[in-house]
Amino acid sequence: DQQVKQNSPSLSVQEGRISILNCDYTNSMFDYFLWYKKYPAEGPTFLISISSIKDKNEDGRFTVFLNKSAKHLSLHIVPSQPGDSAVYFCAALRAAGNKLTFGGGTRVLVKP
Amino acid sequence: DTEVTQTPKHLVMGMTNKKSLKCEQHMGHRAMYWYKQKAKKPPELMFVYSYEKLSINESVPSRFSPECPNSSLLNLHLHALQPEDSALYLCASSQILASNTGELFFGEGSRLTVL
Repeated sequence: DQQVKQNSPSLSVQEGRISILNCDYTNSMFDYFLWYKKYPAEGPTFLISISSIKDKNEDGRFTVFLNKSAKHLSLHIVPSQPGDSAVYFCAALRAAGNKLTFGGGTRVLVKP
Repeated sequence: DTEVTQTPKHLVMGMTNKKSLKCEQHMGHRAMYWYKQKAKKPPELMFVYSYEKLSINESVPSRFSPECPNSSLLNLHLHALQPEDSALYLCASSQILASNTGELFFGEGSRLTVL
């Protein structure tokens, strides 16, 4: 049972435009939602997170939106830069047990 | 120091070998994790240690044996592995209770190939 899903395996966007990555989840018990960025042959790097009691969190070019009623979150990157090209994983955390569950990932390509 | 260091970066072993993967962090984190990642798949949780005690085992086969000798070190002992166990093994650490970010810090991973 896949509790965290990213339905778009890839996304291509022009430099300077907005990248929107989507994520859906099924378990209403998650406490935090996180986005990680991963380059090949490296470990995931934390990008931004949001508590389940909030609906928006912003950090520079990155904004995460949470819609609890729809069990949906999204990551907006604006403006997109070529260095943003990577695989982005949505993840959900249950504080009890410190268990982090990842979605399948979205490969983003930002074209110069 | 915000690093999680994993050694070796690459490991090739036969099915009868015994080897170990090592992980170290000096951030004072009391939760440490092993994840396994196959190509084009998300990381999958294997084990969680909280306060040096095993708190989660995601039904991992016994040929993988974790060990947490102290609060800074986490090992994964490997014995009688199968070729399908070839993957990137990721170590991570975090605070025990999710902070306001819920962030896990990941190492760069150990690429394991089983022949």
